[in-house]
Amino acid sequence: DTEVTQTPKHLVMGMTNKKSLKCEQHMGHRAMYWYKQKAKKPPELMFVYSYEKLSINESVPSRFSPECPNSSLLNLHLHALQPEDSALYLCASSQDPPRVASYEQYFGPGTRLTVT
Amino acid sequence: KNQVEQSPQSLIILEGKNCTLQCNYTVSPFSNLRWYKQDTGRGPVSLTIMTFSENTKSNGRYTATLDADTKQSSLHITASQLSDSASYICVVSDNTDKLIFGTGTRLQVFP
Repeated sequence: DTEVTQTPKHLVMGMTNKKSLKCEQHMGHRAMYWYKQKAKKPPELMFVYSYEKLSINESVPSRFSPECPNSSLLNLHLHALQPEDSALYLCASSQDPPRVASYEQYFGPGTRLTVT
Repeated sequence: KNQVEQSPQSLIILEGKNCTLQCNYTVSPFSNLRWYKQDTGRGPVSLTIMTFSENTKSNGRYTATLDADTKQSSLHITASQLSDSASYICVVSDNTDKLIFGTGTRLQVFP
């Protein structure tokens, strides 16, 4: 199984809502990532989890809260988002060495988020 | 500053034709270079990954080259198909936990 799954595929939420994005992989990878991608732009790294611990936070606003309950699951909790947060949110995973970037990253299909 | 630049920004070709996409990078230290294909609204899918010592790598109709001296890479697509219409992203690793993404080349293949 070389698949990263993400749910939901689409999400529309108001600025006062609380919602969560979910990502799952069963490849035994120990590094998992959240990216944000705006239209016609490359993905921007948000968070990296390595062995279930947060290793990188790219100065992401606190209205985005990541969680890694176990080695297969990665959540992104959303609260009080702004319309400019509307984007495609991508999850990825890779084996975790010392140097995470040496290994292939497998991306999920993404969650299309719209904040109204 | 670590950067990855791609050209052209967009490209239109007819089905069956070949094309070549370019990637120039200023990333240092260099670990590896990847090419991803991304369909609209979907996650990127890896085509190739090359380390410093590799000059060329193929994946079906896709062939990537790497010149680590000039810090250039190319992706050649042979006998293009309609399903090749997508964005192609060049990504370079600087040996940390981060990947440096290029802005992509949007390829459209018409019948």
